[in-house]
Amino acid sequence: QQPVQSPQAVILREGEDAVINCSSSKALYSVHWYRQKHGEAPVFLMILLKGGEQKGHDKISASFNEKKQQSSLYLTASQLSYSGTYFCGTVGGTSYGKLTFGQGTILTVHP
Amino acid sequence: DTGVSQDPRHKITKRGQNVTFRCDPISEHNRLYWYRQTLGQGPEFLTYFQNEAQLEKSRLLSDRFSAERPKGSFSTLEIQRTEQGDSAMYLCASSPFLSSYEQYFGPGTRLTVT
Repeated sequence: QQPVQSPQAVILREGEDAVINCSSSKALYSVHWYRQKHGEAPVFLMILLKGGEQKGHDKISASFNEKKQQSSLYLTASQLSYSGTYFCGTVGGTSYGKLTFGQGTILTVHP
Repeated sequence: DTGVSQDPRHKITKRGQNVTFRCDPISEHNRLYWYRQTLGQGPEFLTYFQNEAQLEKSRLLSDRFSAERPKGSFSTLEIQRTEQGDSAMYLCASSPFLSSYEQYFGPGTRLTVT
């Protein structure tokens, strides 16, 4: 079952912060976050394994709440280069191979 | 270390024709995945291989689609008797055999069926 992302779209000015959420109705093994720019392939950002860990690098971080089967991606002090569509992909259930992607969150950062 | 490569990058074909796409994964990645993405949607899983074994295939995949990874290295995805609904971006990804299964995507092949 497809995870649900919210919000569907976010518009920011440079330097502002954003949070993107990803919820699943099934037990998850891991959550993967990707950013995709128009006409390009998804670019891997980070992965969170069950255990409720939080990860981050530079000004992008994420958390995974195993009890709620939810993950959040935090973008702080946004830059123009952060613009794109963000997808969460989940691994769980009986399949530990495939990613099931959410519908995406379109992030636009203006100067 | 080069990334995942796919060939061709673009393919225009007429309805009813067969097409074949190739994917070369990151070297030493033993898992290879195929996804399909249409405009405004997230990638949708098609199938994946561990080495040369095809471990899972989406129920959405009709029998017109077939994928192979004969020597556990590159993979091909063939679509027979293409239909206009097959128009999409076909993405390939690979991952190492780790518990995390993180996947790295290639640039994709954009298929247009006229």
